[in-house]
Amino acid sequence: DAGITQSPRYKITETGRQVTLMCHQTWSHSYMFWYRQDLGHGLRLIYYSAAADITDKGEVPDGYVVSRSKTENFPLTLESATRSQTSVYFCASSESLWGGTEAFFGQGTRLTVV
Amino acid sequence: AQRVTQPEKLLSVFKGAPVELKCNYSYSGSPELFWYVQYSRQRLQLLLRHISRESIKGFTADLNKGETSFHLKKPFAQEEDSAMYYCALGSGSRLTFGEGTQLTVNP
Repeated sequence: DAGITQSPRYKITETGRQVTLMCHQTWSHSYMFWYRQDLGHGLRLIYYSAAADITDKGEVPDGYVVSRSKTENFPLTLESATRSQTSVYFCASSESLWGGTEAFFGQGTRLTVV
Repeated sequence: AQRVTQPEKLLSVFKGAPVELKCNYSYSGSPELFWYVQYSRQRLQLLLRHISRESIKGFTADLNKGETSFHLKKPFAQEEDSAMYYCALGSGSRLTFGEGTQLTVNP
């Protein structure tokens, strides 16, 4: 199916473990984003990518790593999970950031760090 | 640096009443502004964009560059409008969101 999908939908992990959240889009959109959604903070940008092999930090990048070897995939890795990283994570993609182009969001991954 | 501020975290109105969700931004260039909505158990989705000057589901938003605002308005709120609303700013390669406003429309 065309679209943007995240996996897993739910994840429980222990403090200190490495965990990777996957994001896959089928449109070949250039731009991809990772956000975390927390009560009182809204959506905060973690990392973004303008194309394959081009990534950049957002507002809250500490503790996270991304890669984009292929246009369609944009995995987010928590190198050593902490409880403060318990959140709902959203991936998004967009063809452009000009001309009012819409960004499309995944269904989210609810991550709990215990 | 770009920033989006939504001063109201919670907004509650009665059905049929007007509603206004506030959004202010800071950005030195020409902004691309959007409103996204997240209904319960659904994905975040685009509601409207300033460049289109459109009305979607009865909602409108006008970009006021002098006041650096992009407030979302609807003259008569409906119960199905209850959702989380996010204002967003597109700039360079980034898409920055505000903190969100949870709108509840009471019967």
